[in-house]
Amino acid sequence: GNSVTQMEGPVTLSEEAFLTINCTYTATGYPSLFWYVQYPGEGLQLLLKATKADDKGSNKGFEATYRKETTSFHLEKGSVQVSDSAVYFCALYTGNQFYFGTGTSLTVIP
Amino acid sequence: NAGVTQTPKFRVLKTGQSMTLLCAQDMNHEYMYWYRQDPGMGLRLIHYSVGEGTTAKGEVPDGYNVSRLKKQNFLLGLESAAPSQTSVYFCASRQGAGSGELFFGEGSRLTVL
Repeated sequence: GNSVTQMEGPVTLSEEAFLTINCTYTATGYPSLFWYVQYPGEGLQLLLKATKADDKGSNKGFEATYRKETTSFHLEKGSVQVSDSAVYFCALYTGNQFYFGTGTSLTVIP
Repeated sequence: NAGVTQTPKFRVLKTGQSMTLLCAQDMNHEYMYWYRQDPGMGLRLIHYSVGEGTTAKGEVPDGYNVSRLKKQNFLLGLESAAPSQTSVYFCASRQGAGSGELFFGEGSRLTVL
């Protein structure tokens, strides 16, 4: 079946630290991959996406590369800010459906 | 830019009561979805619709019904609420087939006592 597994949280980092949130997937066919972000009290917003193998999605300093050989889509940012504190969801799209990971909570402290 | 709007945002129900959550989108999107979000479980799909007048079951449809009488609205109903339905409910929409972006509402927090 189709599923997404992402790194357990919560994650706490100091400002300007390097961030990696791991995401691996299982899917039939050729899925598209996404990272969504949920700020406190809000709905999810698209952060970045990649639609085929070796594509790199990027936005607001965040990056993720679609790795078909390792079935992974890890989220990275070189220098996090307090404003990046949120819950991050990895997701895949295939067969007309979206499948979400359980979310990883990130807190960035000054 | 309203986007996706959910009402109500908060509701407390007693076991056995019924209620309807309304989702409205102003982007002329074909596809609409209802998810529930529970701690440690991420988002789970309840029901979805690929166009006006159509609905389909998702991963966790039991205890819920939906209707899509108008393209811009997608209603989620609970006929007899149970404590297990205490959750945060999110509506989402997207343009159509293909890997387009999902647009989410702000969520509706439902507590069933």
